[in-house]
Amino acid sequence: DVKVTQSSRYLVKRTGEKVFLECVQDMDHENMFWYRQDPGLGLRLIYFSYDVKMKEKGDIPEGYSVSREKKERFSLILESASTNQTSMYLCASRADYYGPQFFGPGTRLTVL
Amino acid sequence: QQQVKQSPQSLIVQKGGISIINCAYENTAFDYFPWYQQFPGKGPALLIAIRPDVSEKKEGRFTISFNKSAKQFSLHIMDSQPGDSATYFCAATPNFGNEKLTFGTGTRLTIIP
Repeated sequence: DVKVTQSSRYLVKRTGEKVFLECVQDMDHENMFWYRQDPGLGLRLIYFSYDVKMKEKGDIPEGYSVSREKKERFSLILESASTNQTSMYLCASRADYYGPQFFGPGTRLTVL
Repeated sequence: QQQVKQSPQSLIVQKGGISIINCAYENTAFDYFPWYQQFPGKGPALLIAIRPDVSEKKEGRFTISFNKSAKQFSLHIMDSQPGDSATYFCAATPNFGNEKLTFGTGTRLTIIP
């Protein structure tokens, strides 16, 4: 089975802090994605990566950056956390263009 | 701009009944329509998907109905069970899944005994 793991299930940070959310997949997938999930808004794509060191902006990239130095790891970075970034963050991976996306369990981030 | 509209936001169905969730899209380039199921504390998982060359796809108790001319697709859950209680997301993407998914806003389904 594909396994996508996220470094933390729950995270509490203060406004202005730099926040790192880590995602690791164990199936040698090419593509990786970061979403945020908010009630009534569904899943919104923040950034995605088709390959190592490649990144593409999604629908809501403002306030976020990403890093993919190794194929299995995709990091989401909040340079200066703000309260409106309080959300559930979901990472996903996909084998190739035609495969389904597999999601991790999510990180619930609270910014105080 | 919301490109995939999903309804209802929440749904309560009695055990054994039929659950129906609807989605409508605007982008005529969309040609791959998956449904994801999410249980509390878990990430979404692919449930079933359809391409526009067929009008219906069935997998067990789950069926997708697709109406290309109306730009609508729906998920039907037959003989709904308490274990089906979850949040369901429809999604769409162009180029046969080659690009990013656009998700609906989700439907929280509760099956009552």
